[in-house]
Amino acid sequence: KAGVTQTPRYLIKTRGQQVTLSCSPISGHRSVSWYQQTPGQGLQFLFEYFSETQRNKGNFPGRFSGRQFSNSRSEMNVSTLELGDSALYLCASSFASGSYNEQFFGPGTRLTVL
Amino acid sequence: GESVGLHLPTLSVQEGDNSIINCAYSNSASDYFIWYKQESGKGPQFIIDIRSNMDKRQGQRVTVLLNKTVKHLSLQIAATQPGDSAVYFCAENGAQKLVFGQGTRLTINP
Repeated sequence: KAGVTQTPRYLIKTRGQQVTLSCSPISGHRSVSWYQQTPGQGLQFLFEYFSETQRNKGNFPGRFSGRQFSNSRSEMNVSTLELGDSALYLCASSFASGSYNEQFFGPGTRLTVL
Repeated sequence: GESVGLHLPTLSVQEGDNSIINCAYSNSASDYFIWYKQESGKGPQFIIDIRSNMDKRQGQRVTVLLNKTVKHLSLQIAATQPGDSAVYFCAENGAQKLVFGQGTRLTINP
């Protein structure tokens, strides 16, 4: 069974631009969560989608948004990029919402904002 | 790897020794805790979990201890191996979302 895949793996953008990251969950998984990992703040929860609905949201500004499609694939978008948005963005999938012991992470997308 | 640049607490142990990684959590209402392992270039990997109605849980070569009185969690790894080199994170389930600790980098000396 294929794992969680994230594309692209690396991305370089400039301030003010917007970016879209993609996550394909493990087949059969309906929950997708997104996390931001930075040296200063560590791992922080962004949001979770389940069956195309946002179930929960972390403490991030409205510039961070996401969506989930009917095939459970998810995208997250960051608009008006700031230098501080440089981070590793991780997505994780599970069959059910909140099933952390059955949640699998992808390798992440490394975003660099110049 | 992804953890490069992180100013993390570091624990160095000899191969074959036991490792103990500690974590303090913040929310006394948290009822579920997880330990993750993150190797360079990879996303976090679930190791073991524990619910707040337990004090101890054992897995394969790993044990998690929970002290709710002082809001402290520890991960014990028995007979540490080179493949255990990684950053280890604890996480607590608060308000239906995970809150992660800063992590500890475990290095193994041959």
